[in-house]
Amino acid sequence: QQQVKQSPQSLIVQKGGISIINCAYENTAFDYFPWYQQFPGKGPALLIAIRPDVSEKKEGRFTISFNKSAKQFSLHIMDSQPGDSATYFCAASPNTGNQFYFGTGTSLTVIP
Amino acid sequence: KAGVTQTPRYLIKTRGQQVTLSCSPISGHRSVSWYQQTPGQGLQFLFEYFSETQRNKGNFPGRFSGRQFSNSRSEMNVSTLELGDSALYLCASSLGWAEAFFGQGTRLTVV
Repeated sequence: QQQVKQSPQSLIVQKGGISIINCAYENTAFDYFPWYQQFPGKGPALLIAIRPDVSEKKEGRFTISFNKSAKQFSLHIMDSQPGDSATYFCAASPNTGNQFYFGTGTSLTVIP
Repeated sequence: KAGVTQTPRYLIKTRGQQVTLSCSPISGHRSVSWYQQTPGQGLQFLFEYFSETQRNKGNFPGRFSGRQFSNSRSEMNVSTLELGDSALYLCASSLGWAEAFFGQGTRLTVV
């Protein structure tokens, strides 16, 4: 059973547009929600993360929105650039250690 | 500061053999976790070690095992390799909890 559900599977955005990726979870024991960016042939790179006591976190062009009651969180990439073209994974972890449950990934393509 | 280092980067093994993969975490990090990444199953958690003790374990058969040394370096071993074990094996390190940083992975191909 997929503990973290991610959508869409793929996304095509024009340069300068906003990319939005959504994730949902069921386990209320999850206490930490990171987003990772992965380029082909590379390991996932930590992009931004949030804890459930905060509804939004912004770092540069990347924003996480978190809705605890709906058990949903999303990544917004503002002013999307071709260099942002990569696969994005959401994840969730309980506070018992670094056991991350990953979403299935979103392949983002930003068209110049 | 050096990142997470995984060796080897690529490996080809024959079905039935065993393999050992190595991970050197970021200096000062005490938690090392391992993941298997495949196109079909995505990223799946194998196990986590913290200060030489297994802290969490995923849902993989006993053929998958690991250990952590006193310098926080970690190894994972897969015995009796099967074709389905072909995957990218990723190691992530963390100070304690959250903020995990991944290595580039070891690409294992079982033939």
